[in-house]
Amino acid sequence: SAVISQKPSRDICQRGTSLTIQCQVDSQVTMMFWYRQQPGQSLTLIATANQGSEATYESGFVIDKFPISRPNLTFSTLTVSNMSPEDSSIYLCSVGGQGEKLFFGSGTQLSVL
Amino acid sequence: EDQVTQSPEALRLQEGESSSLNCSYTVSGLRGLFWYRQDPGKGPEFLFTLYSAGEEKEKERLKATLTKKESFLHITAPKPEDSATYLCAVQASGTSYGKLTFGQGTILTVHP
Repeated sequence: SAVISQKPSRDICQRGTSLTIQCQVDSQVTMMFWYRQQPGQSLTLIATANQGSEATYESGFVIDKFPISRPNLTFSTLTVSNMSPEDSSIYLCSVGGQGEKLFFGSGTQLSVL
Repeated sequence: EDQVTQSPEALRLQEGESSSLNCSYTVSGLRGLFWYRQDPGKGPEFLFTLYSAGEEKEKERLKATLTKKESFLHITAPKPEDSATYLCAVQASGTSYGKLTFGQGTILTVHP
């Protein structure tokens, strides 16, 4: 299984600011995925990040709010822009394994005041 | 729309008291059903993948089973270290790779 490191592990931010979350994988992967876990809610896919192309966003998520970078096969960033309290969530980076299962990083716990 | 419902929302057991968690799903076609364990402050940890009705997988005190409409995670003689949130997810046919639909999870607490 892949080892996935996320930074920061948690942060408290002010309304209107932006936060960039980093995800580092210990092996080269074609696709990386960003999920959100809102309090009391299930995990929801935000977008898929492919190296060398623009990210593909799921319905309800837009690039202006959640810009993603994928500069190489082991690294990706997710930015949460112009934050509001509704953005308070756990943000998770994941990569695929055999048989379509996903491996997840430890997550970034974001609180917006 | 693909849907996953887990029950109960929370389950409290005494050490050694076996029980089952339920995951009901509605999908247009099932490519795979996944069980994860999530500890507080951590990301989900993969447990099992099930692909077709009748399939079973086991790992230590956990056993996952699958029917055409639901999956069960059986916990035999649980220990306090089994306390965690257990998540069920499905990959539906026709959806893009990496897009899993998750349930809200069952919070399991095992008391010594």
